[in-house]
Amino acid sequence: GENVEQHPSTLSVQEGDSAVIKCTYSDSASNYFPWYKQELGKRPQLIIDIRSNVGEKKDQRIAVTLNKTAKHFSLHITETQPEDSAVYFCAASMGTGTASKLTFGTGTRLQVTL
Amino acid sequence: DSGVTQTPKHLITATGQRVTLRCSPRSGDLSVYWYQQSLDQGLQFLIHYYNGEERAKGNILERFSAQQFPDLHSELNLSSLELGDSALYFCASSVTSGGYTGELFFGEGSRLTVL
Repeated sequence: GENVEQHPSTLSVQEGDSAVIKCTYSDSASNYFPWYKQELGKRPQLIIDIRSNVGEKKDQRIAVTLNKTAKHFSLHITETQPEDSAVYFCAASMGTGTASKLTFGTGTRLQVTL
Repeated sequence: DSGVTQTPKHLITATGQRVTLRCSPRSGDLSVYWYQQSLDQGLQFLIHYYNGEERAKGNILERFSAQQFPDLHSELNLSSLELGDSALYFCASSVTSGGYTGELFFGEGSRLTVL
């Protein structure tokens, strides 16, 4: 089955700096790559996603890049703010929407310090 | 509020017991996913139901079972509970088009503690 590896497990940056989280996946059939943010004690929420036919997507301070050949994708957060502190999960999905298996990475705990 | 409702929010039980976790998806969502999140761990995919049918299975133990009912709510049954089953169990629903997996909307989770 699909295996998603995520690095680093923890990341500390100063406010205003950029943060980069990287993920690799094993199954070349994966076609959908979302990123979820989970604040302490709360539910995961989607922050950005990318599909296999796109190489890059940006939404304000957040961007995701996908390299299908290398089977890796990355999350980039620019101008980090204290409210960006959370655990971030990457995920990879294969199959159609009606029969999909969304596999998550192990998470990155991001801490933005003042 | 994601629109996904999970009950109970907290549950404490003993080893060997059986519990049922319930999930009501967002109105109109046909897909329901179950995930297990242990302390400081990631989200482990358990199972995916679409419109009442099991469609994908992850590393779900044989002691665990799930179903999705005609009204689209879903239940996750955990039996012969062990200490290691203590975790936060999330249900998520999705609109799900025929092509790609859509955004998952997670419930608040059911925290299970096995003593």
